[in-house]
Amino acid sequence: GENVEQHPSTLSVQEGDSAVIKCTYSDSASNYFPWYKQELGKGPQLIIDIRSNVGEKKDQRIAVTLNKTAKHFSLHITETQPEDSAVYFCAASSGGSYIPTFGRGTSLIVHP
Amino acid sequence: GAVVSQHPSRVICKSGTSVKIECRSLDFQATTMFWYRQFPKQSLMLMATSNEGSKATYEQGVEKDKFLINHASLTLSTLTVTSAHPEDSSFYICSARDLGLAVGQFFGPGTRLTVL
Repeated sequence: GENVEQHPSTLSVQEGDSAVIKCTYSDSASNYFPWYKQELGKGPQLIIDIRSNVGEKKDQRIAVTLNKTAKHFSLHITETQPEDSAVYFCAASSGGSYIPTFGRGTSLIVHP
Repeated sequence: GAVVSQHPSRVICKSGTSVKIECRSLDFQATTMFWYRQFPKQSLMLMATSNEGSKATYEQGVEKDKFLINHASLTLSTLTVTSAHPEDSSFYICSARDLGLAVGQFFGPGTRLTVL
């Protein structure tokens, strides 16, 4: 089955800095890669996703890049703000079911 | 946007009792709903996938007789934790896939279960 590794487990940045979270996957058949933000005591919220037919996608301060050859994808957050503080999960899925396998999560702390 | 609700948001029960958690898709139809559990500071672990009108598919290691799942309509799935024990205490999260979308799922806000 699919295995998703996520790094770092904790990331601490100053407000205004950029944050990068990296994930690798094992199944070359994976073709859908969502990123979720989970605030304390709440369910995950989809913030951005990318399919395997593109290498990069951007939505305001958030961008995701995908390297299919190397089987890794990354989340980039620019101009971080304290409200970006949360746990971020990457995921990978494939096939008709599109049931994602999640990474272990990254706790992002943005210091004001 | 797509909204998924869960009820209750928090429940405390005595050991040996059963607890039912509801998951509803509020503004879309969901042929497939998923149930996850999440322990503190850990990732989401898929428990089961439920399709409307059919039996749920459970992940390896998840007891189907203990975690009863019913997906009776396109907008409602329920998870019943039977004979709950303290080790069942966890954060239970459902998600739903929009009938009109090929990929992606929307998560509910989660239910915090504490078994005393």
